[in-house]
Amino acid sequence: DAGVTQSPTHLIKTRGQQVTLRCSPKSGHDTVSWYQQALGQGPQFIFQYYEEEERQRGNFPDRFSGHQFPNYSSELNVNALLLGDSALYLCASSLTGGYTFGSGTRLTVV
Amino acid sequence: GNSVTQMEGPVTLSEEAFLTINCTYTATGYPSLFWYVQYPGEGLQLLLKATKADDKGSNKGFEATYRKETTSFHLEKGSVQVSDSAVYFCARLGGTSYGKLTFGQGTILTVHP
Repeated sequence: DAGVTQSPTHLIKTRGQQVTLRCSPKSGHDTVSWYQQALGQGPQFIFQYYEEEERQRGNFPDRFSGHQFPNYSSELNVNALLLGDSALYLCASSLTGGYTFGSGTRLTVV
Repeated sequence: GNSVTQMEGPVTLSEEAFLTINCTYTATGYPSLFWYVQYPGEGLQLLLKATKADDKGSNKGFEATYRKETTSFHLEKGSVQVSDSAVYFCARLGGTSYGKLTFGQGTILTVHP
């Protein structure tokens, strides 16, 4: 049974560019959450999607947006990248509260 | 707001030593509590959890007890192994089943042979 799959694994972007990260949830999971983990820090909640709607949002600017598709997969989009957006982006899927994390996408902004 | 505070690391131990990593949480509502482990270059793996006061979560020799009176969820292991070297995160889940996870800052554990 495949767990949570994220792509790409690594990504290098230039300041001001836009990026899209992708997440396929664990089979049977209908909720997807995104977290940002800066180097040496704990993950910070960005937002959560359920039934193709954003259900909760953390303290992140509007440059961070997302989408959930009918098959429950999800995308995280970040516009106008800043150096400070460099981090590991983790996707977690869940069904009734049991969270499974992917291995993450390492984004480097130069 | 909700928060989780972990003891500052890094923690360095010899193999077979006793491990304690302290974690305290804000007492708002009735959170579920978790310990996650992150190995180098990987995502987070759930290590153990507890959903109500006095519950004890356990897995792979690790244990943690949900203490409401001290708002704590300390991680313990009686005899650590080199393979336990990783970063450990304490986390709380808000009052709803779909709530967000709030993480501590993480504690780096290094175990030497």
